[in-house]
Amino acid sequence: QVQLVESGGGVVQPGRSLRLSCAASTVTLTSFALSWVRQAPGRGLEWVATVSGDGKNKYYTDSVKGRFTVSRDNSDTTVNLQMNGLRPEDTAVYYCAKVKAGRRFTPFDSWGQGTLVSVSS
Amino acid sequence: YEVTQPPTMSVAPGQTTRIPCGGDNIEVKSVNWYQQRPGQAPILIISNDSDRPSGVPDRFSGSNSGNTATLTISRVEAGDEADYFCQLWDPGSDHVIFGGGTKLTVL
Repeated sequence: QVQLVESGGGVVQPGRSLRLSCAASTVTLTSFALSWVRQAPGRGLEWVATVSGDGKNKYYTDSVKGRFTVSRDNSDTTVNLQMNGLRPEDTAVYYCAKVKAGRRFTPFDSWGQGTLVSVSS
Repeated sequence: YEVTQPPTMSVAPGQTTRIPCGGDNIEVKSVNWYQQRPGQAPILIISNDSDRPSGVPDRFSGSNSGNTATLTISRVEAGDEADYFCQLWDPGSDHVIFGGGTKLTVL
């Protein structure tokens, strides 16, 4: 099973930016679609974004479209989530999740342990 | 596209429980199920309606018919106490959809 490690979370004021990263510790992420999922305190899972295996296609939930950008780095070792214009309702644990090989969107067969993003003044 | 789950369910140890995930004609979609224990990341326990990943006990099974997908847990154990989420991809919007989750309590 692929081990995923997220980083970049923290406390940020409303309107500011934060960049999350997701790295695989055992294999490269080449050809796997990767997704970001968030979970607000005491709430359920919410899909945030997905980037295709080749990095060409990106998909976002409506509430983050235009504010968040998902990308893969050129070496394909890291997937990033650039979050701009953060709002208090973006406060959540953000998980990186790998899509099963050969699939475009689901299922997510590996998950990171999550990184906490807190948006507060 | 929306899917609905009961927020809470309870079951006695050794019994069988069935967690529903409702959606319009959900049987034509491929449904996945995740287990999330407190303080932990989710893990995939059922994919493609009824496929069980390696390492998942055969006490866990899935089905999908009509407007309801179902996660069945047989011979429930105390360690099965967790939140369970159904998930699918909606091709109409290219969005990934999660159910609201069901908190399973083992009495």
